Parts: sequence; structure tokens; C-alpha cells
Amino acid sequence: AQSVTQLDSHVSVSEGTPVLLRCNYSSSYSPSLFWYVQHPNKGLQLLLKYTSAATLVKGINGFEAEFKKSETSFHLTKPSAHMSDAAEYFCVVSDQLGGNKLVFGAGTILRVKS
Amino acid sequence: NAGVMQNPRHLVRRRGQEARLRCSPMKGHSHVYWYRQLPEEGLKFMVYLQKENIIDESGMPKERFSAEFPKEGPSILRIQQVVRGDSAAYFCASSRPPTDTQYFGPGTRLTVL
Repeated sequence: AQSVTQLDSHVSVSEGTPVLLRCNYSSSYSPSLFWYVQHPNKGLQLLLKYTSAATLVKGINGFEAEFKKSETSFHLTKPSAHMSDAAEYFCVVSDQLGGNKLVFGAGTILRVKS
Repeated sequence: NAGVMQNPRHLVRRRGQEARLRCSPMKGHSHVYWYRQLPEEGLKFMVYLQKENIIDESGMPKERFSAEFPKEGPSILRIQQVVRGDSAAYFCASSRPPTDTQYFGPGTRLTVL
């Protein structure tokens, strides 16, 4: 079965400093992996998607993620945090043998300090 | 180019009442997924539907919950005889094969009094 583990429930950074949100996945085959962001009381917005075309995936708002098969990781990074990045971030794997239903990590709440 | 639409955005029900949540997928999308986000938890898959067919309902509670996606009109998630534990945010997502990218609606926040 597919699963994802987000290693930090909360991350706090200062504005202008780098962001690192960690995610490990478990999959018996080559997975599709996603990062979604959820601002308070809002829906989920797709940040980026990995589908085996390139291991470094660039997303919206300056975010990117690197797929590392040897480490089964898909960490999300951003060089410089902005106040508007404060939100909850979900690492997600697609269960391709299960109708593409998404399996969500528990989420990481990102706090950005001024 | 409208995204996934959900209504109502907020729904308040008393215990024992019925809740109906609606989802209109993005234009051209024929696959709909429902997810539930309980307080302090991540999203959990509930059901996957295509037009007039339930493909996977492995995440649906066995009782009181049902879903449909008719040939015409939105997808409906129906909860009968709601209980306080049903209070959650319910999200709908849609996709268009062969891509597996799902686009989410704004959610319906159900509060059961």
C-alpha cells in the first residue's frame, strides 16, 4: 500500500530564510507524488507534481521538490520564505492501482516569522 | 475556466438531520473524488465516482453515508442522521484521465450541533 510520512508537524522559519518540509514515501512501484498547500479555512491548491519525467520538480510560488528514489524522499524547498507562505502543506502519493485515489500525509504547518 | 465548485460552503445541522453536499467538477472532468478532513487530521479518501458509477467506496463509513454522480448534475455526498462526529470539512476533487492530477474544491464545512 502507498503511504507518506511527513517528518515534521510544525516548521517555523523567519521571513527571507529557506524552507524545508520533509516527506518520505512508501510505494511498491514508481509513484506519482504531489505537494498541496492549504491556507486557513481554504481549499487545497496544487503546488507541484512528480511523475518520473524529471527528479527536480518546480512548482508555483518558488517552491520545488526533489524526488530521491534511493532515500524514498520528496522534500519540498523554497529558497526564501514569504509571510504569505504560512499555511499547512501536505505531501501526497497517488494510489495508481487504486483508481488514483490520493493518500495524504498528516500535514506540516509552516509558520513564517517577520 | 471555473474550478471545482462545492456548495454549500458551510452547513449546520442538528443531530439526526440529513446533510447533502454538492460538487460540480471542472469542465471536461469525468472523475470525482470525495475526501474528509476531521479536526486536527489530514485528508482521508472516502469515495471515487465516475458518471453514474461508484468505482471505489472503500473509505466510506458503512452506514448513513452515500454518494452519487448522476449523468446530469453535480455529485452528491449524502449523510443521513448526522452525529457530532460527522463534523468535518468535506472536499471534492476532480480529474480527467489519463492524468491523475486532482483539483480540489473549496470544501464544505459541516457542523453538527
